[in-house]
Amino acid sequence: DVVMTQSPLSLPVTLGQPASISCRSSQSLVYSDGNTYLNWFQQRPGQSPRRLIYKVSNRDSGVPDRFSGSGSGTDFTLKISRVEAEDVGVYYCMQGTHWPLTFGGGTRVEIK
Amino acid sequence: QVQLQESGPGLVKPSETLSLTCTVSGGSISSGSYYWSWIRQPPGKGLEWIGYIYYSGSTYKPSLKSRVTMSADTSKNQFSLKLSSVTAADTAVYYCACAYSSGTFDYWGQGTLVTVSS
Repeated sequence: DVVMTQSPLSLPVTLGQPASISCRSSQSLVYSDGNTYLNWFQQRPGQSPRRLIYKVSNRDSGVPDRFSGSGSGTDFTLKISRVEAEDVGVYYCMQGTHWPLTFGGGTRVEIK
Repeated sequence: QVQLQESGPGLVKPSETLSLTCTVSGGSISSGSYYWSWIRQPPGKGLEWIGYIYYSGSTYKPSLKSRVTMSADTSKNQFSLKLSSVTAADTAVYYCACAYSSGTFDYWGQGTLVTVSS
């Protein structure tokens, strides 16, 4: 299975400050069709996960533009340009290139 | 927008079979447009994809394949999960989800907690 490694495990952030989460895969996530199926999900406390980003950098409808995704191959990043209170939760990267589909262990974002 | 709702017993005895149903609205199970997935999350832990069904078949996580069966009931617009020979390690919140492509999840249900205990 492709192992997805996220860092840090916990990320205390001051409101209005930026945050960055790293996700590394044990194999390249470039699929034979040329696409890279790397997703980011947000799970707020007590809620289901919600997708923020698909195919590395495509923001879902309704996702604030303070969220951005970047990266290639095996190295990916989710950035929040200015953290707001509603951003508290756990963030997961997930690869959809190789079977079985696998998630990172999660990064908990909290307000300092 | 597709909406999903899980249902089923919240308590299952060890060695028995866990059975859950996901009821779909806003989209058709029989349309062939979606991949219909099950994902689980043990309490306080991360997410694990179990498998999905689609118009022409199914794909399961290899480590769970011997115990998993997924199926669809197009007349009720539902799909289901059966996980046999459960142990305490199968205690988790189980989510159903769907997507237009196989490598992601566009929509999620609210999840249902299943506890395996005697």
